[in-house]
Amino acid sequence: GAVVSQHPSRVICKSGTSVKIECRSLDFQATTMFWYRQFPKQSLMLMATSNEGSKATYEQGVEKDKFLINHASLTLSTLTVTSAHPEDSSFYICSASRGGEKLLFGSGTQLSVL
Amino acid sequence: QKEVEQDPGPLSVPEGAIVSLNCTYSNSAFQYFMWYRQYSRKGPELLMYTYSSGNKEDGRFTAQVDKSSKYISLFIRDSQPSDSATYLCAMSENTNAGKSTFGDGTTLTVKP
Repeated sequence: GAVVSQHPSRVICKSGTSVKIECRSLDFQATTMFWYRQFPKQSLMLMATSNEGSKATYEQGVEKDKFLINHASLTLSTLTVTSAHPEDSSFYICSASRGGEKLLFGSGTQLSVL
Repeated sequence: QKEVEQDPGPLSVPEGAIVSLNCTYSNSAFQYFMWYRQYSRKGPELLMYTYSSGNKEDGRFTAQVDKSSKYISLFIRDSQPSDSATYLCAMSENTNAGKSTFGDGTTLTVKP
């Protein structure tokens, strides 16, 4: 069945390095994917909408130069956290819609910046 | 004040109990209402999806929407230890579910 695969599930990096997170739609094409951030015991906060073949749309307050999104194909979107700092440590989740209103979520990536 | 309010719990019930989870909201433009289940350090999984007011049942789960009161509920019958998770409500103004507004989640533990 339709699945959204997210990789890696966990990453630990040093401050100042960049981290890339991949989100793939399996068995379906996703022209639009979404990236969220979730802090412990808090809700998902939409960071940006990733559009295949065009620029991502960022939510207010999200630095587009900090969180680079590339949606180069109908099945792959990537989020790159550039020059990561400890305050970027969080749980990042992607989602995609197979069609209609229902979202499929990736399994999430726990980023820890030392 | 948050657009969507959800009691964080934690909520602990014995196996077999009926669980009631609730959210209130302030945006009267919300038309689509969702409940997600999220296990620790995993992505959310859609449980129920409803449009406008009314009830929807799926197995042991029943979702209720009362738009006049801006109040939604999720009931779980015959709760099982495997139901232990965080439950997130979400709502949106249109069919673009990706831009839903999420509650903070209620953590549920079902004890054997």
